[in-house]
Amino acid sequence: NAGVTQTPKFRVLKTGQSMTLLCAQDMNHEYMYWYRQDPGMGLRLIHYSVGEGTTAKGEVPDGYNVSRLKKQNFLLGLESAAPSQTSVYFCASSYSRSSGGDQETQYFGPGTRLLVL
Amino acid sequence: AQSVTQPDIHITVSEGASLELRCNYSYGATPYLFWYVQSPGQGLQLLLKYFSGDTLVQGIKGFEAEFKRSQSSFNLRKPSVHWSDAAEYFCAVKMYSGGGADGLTFGKGTHLIIQP
Repeated sequence: NAGVTQTPKFRVLKTGQSMTLLCAQDMNHEYMYWYRQDPGMGLRLIHYSVGEGTTAKGEVPDGYNVSRLKKQNFLLGLESAAPSQTSVYFCASSYSRSSGGDQETQYFGPGTRLLVL
Repeated sequence: AQSVTQPDIHITVSEGASLELRCNYSYGATPYLFWYVQSPGQGLQLLLKYFSGDTLVQGIKGFEAEFKRSQSSFNLRKPSVHWSDAAEYFCAVKMYSGGGADGLTFGKGTHLIIQP
C-alpha cells in the first residue's frame, strides 16, 4: 500500500493564479482532511470530508474549495492564489469500515509545498 | 475551544540522554491524544496515541507517553535518544464526538536537536 500520496510535491504560483492539489489514499478510508502548516503554527484544518460527495469546513477554509468525487481522492483548490496561502499542505485520511480500527487516528501524506509570489 | 500547548519551541539533548517533551491541552473532557513526529521535509508519522485505559502508552521507536488527567498533560518521553530522533514533534488532540471525522488540533511543535 502506498498509503496517502499527494501531487504535486512543490509548486510556485503567481498571485491570482489557480491550482488544484490532489490527495489520494489506497486504504479505503472514509474520512479525508486537508491541513496547512505554517512556521510556528502547527497544522490547521482547512476542510474535511466524511465520505464521497460530502465536504465540510475546518478552522481556516477561506480561499479554498474542495471536492471528493471519488472515495479515494480529495482535491483542494485555490481559485485565486494569494501570498498568504504560501504554506505546506498536508492531506490525511482515517477510518476504514471494512478493516475496522479506530476512527480517530489520521494518516498523513508527505505534503505539498506551495509558494505564492 | 480546545487548545494544545507545547511550551518548548526548541529542546537540545545530548545523544544517549533522556528526553521529555511537554504537552498540555485545554478541553472540558478527556480528548483523544496523539504524538506525531515530522522529519525534515517529510510528512507526519504517528508515534503513539491514547484513547482510554492504561495512562502510560508505548509507541514506536522507543517512545512512551503518560496521560495525567489532573494536569491535563500528555508528555512524551524516551530514556535514551539517538541522533536520528532529531525532528519536529507535534502533540495533537481530538475531541470525543462518538466517532466521526473531526480534525485534530495541533500544538505548535517542539524542535528537537540532538548534540553528539
